[in-house]
Amino acid sequence: DTGVSQDPRHKITKRGQNVTFRCDPISEHNRLYWYRQTLGQGPEFLTYFQNEAQLEKSRLLSDRFSAERPKGSFSTLEIQRTEQGDSAMYLCASSRTSGDTQYFGPGTRLTVL
Amino acid sequence: SQKIEQNSEALNIQEGKTATLTCNYTNYSPAYLQWYRQDPGRGPVFLLLIRENEKEKRKERLKVTFDTTLKQSLFHITASQPADSATYLCALTEGNNRLAFGKGNQVVVIP
Repeated sequence: DTGVSQDPRHKITKRGQNVTFRCDPISEHNRLYWYRQTLGQGPEFLTYFQNEAQLEKSRLLSDRFSAERPKGSFSTLEIQRTEQGDSAMYLCASSRTSGDTQYFGPGTRLTVL
Repeated sequence: SQKIEQNSEALNIQEGKTATLTCNYTNYSPAYLQWYRQDPGRGPVFLLLIRENEKEKRKERLKVTFDTTLKQSLFHITASQPADSATYLCALTEGNNRLAFGKGNQVVVIP
C-alpha cells in the first residue's frame, strides 16, 4: 500500500495560464476525491469519482475547472485561465467505498502570480 | 450544509498533560465523524473515526467522544508530546460521500 500520491507537489504559474495536476489513489480504491484548502481553512470539497464516473461537483468548481478519471485509476484536475484566487493547496483523497475512511495525498500547492 | 466549529485559538499545553479539542456542528448528526492531523504543507492524516452509535473511541493516546445530543465531539491527546504539535481537523460526512471540515485547531506542546 503505497498511499495516495500527487504530482507536482508545487506549481507556480502566471495568471491566465492552464495547469494540470495528477492524483494516483491507493490501488483498488474505487472512490477518488478532490479538495481545495486555503491558508487557515479546512479542506473544501470540489468533486468525487466512483471508478471513472464523476458523481458530484461542488459549486466551487467553476467552468474553468475540469476533472477526469478516464480508466478509474489516476485522476487529473485541470484549471484553465488561472486566477490569483485559485492559489491554494489542492488535495486528493481516496477510499475503498462510500462511507469508508478517506486517505489523503500530500497535496499540490498552486501559486498564481 | 453543516457549519463545523473548532476553536480558532491555538492550544498551548505542557508536555505530559492532556490536550482536549472541541468540534461543534449545527445541523443533522452525521453517520460518522472523523479526526485528522495536518502538519504544515502536508495533507491531512487520518486518526480516528467514530460512528453515531458509538460514544467513545480510543487509539493509543488518542480518545474521541461523540455526543449527538450536544452535537459535539471531543478529541483528547493524553500524555502529550512535542511530536503531537500539529493542526487537528474535525470532519463530518455529508451525503455519505464527501467530508465537510472544520478550520482546524492548532496544538502546541511545550517541552
